[in-house]
Amino acid sequence: GENVEQHPSTLSVQEGDSAVIKCTYSDSASNYFPWYKQELGKRPQLIIDIRSNVGEKKDQRIAVTLNKTAKHFSLHITETQPEDSAVYFCAATPGGHGGATNKLIFGTGTLLAVQP
Amino acid sequence: DGGITQSPKYLFRKEGQNVTLSCEQNLNHDAMYWYRQDPGQGLRLIYYSQIVNDFQKGDIAEGYSVSREKKESFPLTVTSAQKNPTAFYLCASRVTSGKVETQYFGPGTRLLVL
Repeated sequence: GENVEQHPSTLSVQEGDSAVIKCTYSDSASNYFPWYKQELGKRPQLIIDIRSNVGEKKDQRIAVTLNKTAKHFSLHITETQPEDSAVYFCAATPGGHGGATNKLIFGTGTLLAVQP
Repeated sequence: DGGITQSPKYLFRKEGQNVTLSCEQNLNHDAMYWYRQDPGQGLRLIYYSQIVNDFQKGDIAEGYSVSREKKESFPLTVTSAQKNPTAFYLCASRVTSGKVETQYFGPGTRLLVL
């Protein structure tokens, strides 16, 4: 089945710097890759997603890149602010029969701390 | 996200007791999901349902049961067979818009064992 690995597990940056979180997946048929932000004690919130037919997607300070050949995708946050501090999760939807269920396989999360 | 509600916010379970977590959505979503979140382990899928009266086991279904009698409701029962139930439980539902498979989460229920 699909397996998603996420790195780093913790990331500390200075306000205004960029942050990059990377994920790799095992199922080459995976076709949908969302990123969620979870603040302490709250629900995960979708912040950006990308499909397998697109290499990059950007939304203001947030961008996601996808390399299907290498089976990895990354979240890029520019000009970080203290309110960006949270746990970020990547996920992948398996293709094939698994894709029919639209299950999401999550990475283990990255705790991002933005120092003022 | 406001269309998905979970109750209660906190739940305490005694040894040998079954407890039921509620998940309701008014978004007219067909698919619903239950995840368990433990520190440092991300979200793991317990059960999911793509349509009323149908559901499938996820990766960690042992000790849990679900029902899907109505489209808007997908309750999760944590049975006494689940020996380590302390966790944050998240319900999600899915909208399909074209090719998008976005899942939206409820606010969660934190289950603690007395």
